[in-house]
Amino acid sequence: DVKVTQSSRYLVKRTGEKVFLECVQDMDHENMFWYRQDPGLGLRLIYFSYDVKMKEKGDIPEGYSVSREKKERFSLILESASTNQTSMYLCASRGRGYEQYFGPGTRLTVT
Amino acid sequence: QKEVEQDPGPLSVPEGAIVSLNCTYSNSAFQYFMWYRQYSRKGPELLMYTYSSGNKEDGRFTAQVDKSSKYISLFIRDSQPSDSATYLCAILGLRGGSEKLVFGKGMKLTVNP
Repeated sequence: DVKVTQSSRYLVKRTGEKVFLECVQDMDHENMFWYRQDPGLGLRLIYFSYDVKMKEKGDIPEGYSVSREKKERFSLILESASTNQTSMYLCASRGRGYEQYFGPGTRLTVT
Repeated sequence: QKEVEQDPGPLSVPEGAIVSLNCTYSNSAFQYFMWYRQYSRKGPELLMYTYSSGNKEDGRFTAQVDKSSKYISLFIRDSQPSDSATYLCAILGLRGGSEKLVFGKGMKLTVNP
């Protein structure tokens, strides 16, 4: 079974802190994605990566950056956390097919 | 017009009811049509997918696509309390030369015993 793991289930950070969210997949997938999920807004794509060291902006990249130094790991970075970045963050990976496999999510609260 | 529209509900039904979940989309270039299910405090997981107009069945679940109307549906027969979850439609198409998966906002379904 494909497994996508995220470093934390729950995270509380202060405004202005730099925040790292880590995602690891174990299926040698080329493509990895970061979404945020908010009530009434659904899933929105922040960034994605189709190969090591490659990244593409999604629909809402402002305030975020990403890093993919190894194929299995995709990190989301909040350079200076703000309260409007309080959300559920979901990582996903995809191989050659069309199915995206999601991690369990990280619920981030910025106070 | 949004690319994918889904009634967010919520929807509450008694056990055994037939459930109909629907989405509309605007871009006729969309090619693959999927339904994801998300249980509380979990990530979404793929339930069904199809790429052509018509019906596709998998047990109690039927996915229906009408490309001429840009309308997709998920039917759940003999619904069970274990079907209580949020259901998201997702449509795959090309944008700017690359593939993009666009999600509906999700419909929260509760099946009451």
